Amino acid sequence: LAKITQPISMDSYEGQEVNITCSHNNIATNDYITWYQQFPSQGPRFIIQGYKTKVTNEVASLFIPADRKSSTLSLPRVSLSDTAVYYCLVGPILTGANNLFFGTGTRLTVIP
Amino acid sequence: EADIYQTPRYLVIGTGKKITLECSQTMGHDKMYWYQQDPGMELHLIHYSYGVNSTEKGDLSSESTVSRIRTEHFPLTLESARPSHTSQYLCASSDPRGFQAFFGQGTRLTVV
Repeated sequence: LAKITQPISMDSYEGQEVNITCSHNNIATNDYITWYQQFPSQGPRFIIQGYKTKVTNEVASLFIPADRKSSTLSLPRVSLSDTAVYYCLVGPILTGANNLFFGTGTRLTVIP
Repeated sequence: EADIYQTPRYLVIGTGKKITLECSQTMGHDKMYWYQQDPGMELHLIHYSYGVNSTEKGDLSSESTVSRIRTEHFPLTLESARPSHTSQYLCASSDPRGFQAFFGQGTRLTVV
């Protein structure tokens, strides 16, 4: 399993762009990078997934440099409702292996 | 919206009782998971399944057991509940084509 490091917590004001970086130095060739969001007392929710370069959807963008040793989740113009824990997961897809390991995540607090 | 359901949503039960937490999904996913999470803490994988008649223990040792007789159903059983089992239990299934997991709403268990 790729070793993952992400900040324990971050604070941001409403309306700002938030970038959460995840370090995964020993990422394997067939590993994908996936981000989940978890609100208190709820299960995690899939946000975005990527392999390289940039992926964008209606919720966030994911930036992955060429060496793939890190990735950055970008949340544009956050609101109070974006306060949650954000998990970075790295692992292969299309395999039979158990690959849903959630680490400590990054606790994002959006301040009015 | 994800079609994965957990019942009950909340459960308060006395020490020594046998309990079964239900989890059902209608997406036809082969892979299913059970996680345990205390408030503000990490998600810990306690059981997973690759499909019917497949069950595996996760990263966190648990006194619970699971069964997978049908694809859509993955119940978790505690033979004799103890206060140390008080926690939130989250069930998930994953899309076989990728790395996206869908979580249920969770069962918050309190053993008194």
